[in-house]
Amino acid sequence: AQSVTQLDSQVPVFEEAPVELRCNYSSSVSVYLFWYVQYPNQGLQLLLKYLSGSTLVESINGFEAEFNKSQTSFHLRKPSVHISDTAEYFCAVSDKNDYKLSFGAGTTVTVRA
Amino acid sequence: NAGVTQTPKFQVLKTGQSMTLQCAQDMNHEYMSWYRQDPGMGLRLIHYSVGAGITDQGEVPNGYNVSRSTTEDFPLRLLSAAPSQTSVYFCASSFPGYGYTFGSGTRLTVV
Repeated sequence: AQSVTQLDSQVPVFEEAPVELRCNYSSSVSVYLFWYVQYPNQGLQLLLKYLSGSTLVESINGFEAEFNKSQTSFHLRKPSVHISDTAEYFCAVSDKNDYKLSFGAGTTVTVRA
Repeated sequence: NAGVTQTPKFQVLKTGQSMTLQCAQDMNHEYMSWYRQDPGMGLRLIHYSVGAGITDQGEVPNGYNVSRSTTEDFPLRLLSAAPSQTSVYFCASSFPGYGYTFGSGTRLTVV
């Protein structure tokens, strides 16, 4: 089974500042990588995913993540955050031949004015 | 709207009671799964199914049963509720590689 480590449990950040959420995974085999976002009292929503091809993937709301195979990382970044980005973010990984998804413990992002 | 529907949204049980959490999806996804979410622990897989009639255990299966008689439905049964099962439960479905679609969750409290 995959092991996923999110290196920061809490990230406070000021509005319009950049943010980076770090994610490392354990597998050496081919993987699919995902970031999910959970707003307060809601379910999880897919933010972006890496399946193959370009190692840089983007979401519609300004987030991007870069797959680094040599470092087994998939860090999430946004150059300028908004108050509405306050949420919990989960990194998740699955092997390409497996349905099962392993999640990190989550990173809570709190954006302050 | 297409998606994953979970019921109930909230539930309070007494220790020893049993109940079934319902999950239904209308996207014809092969794969369905149940997770529990606890503070600081992310989501942990309870049980999963790769198709009708096929189920298997995840990381934390003890105290839970599942069945998959149809593609659409994947109920989770708590056999004898314990306070340690107080959690938020999420059902999800997917095709491989497409990411999961999650339900809105069931917040369960066992007293």
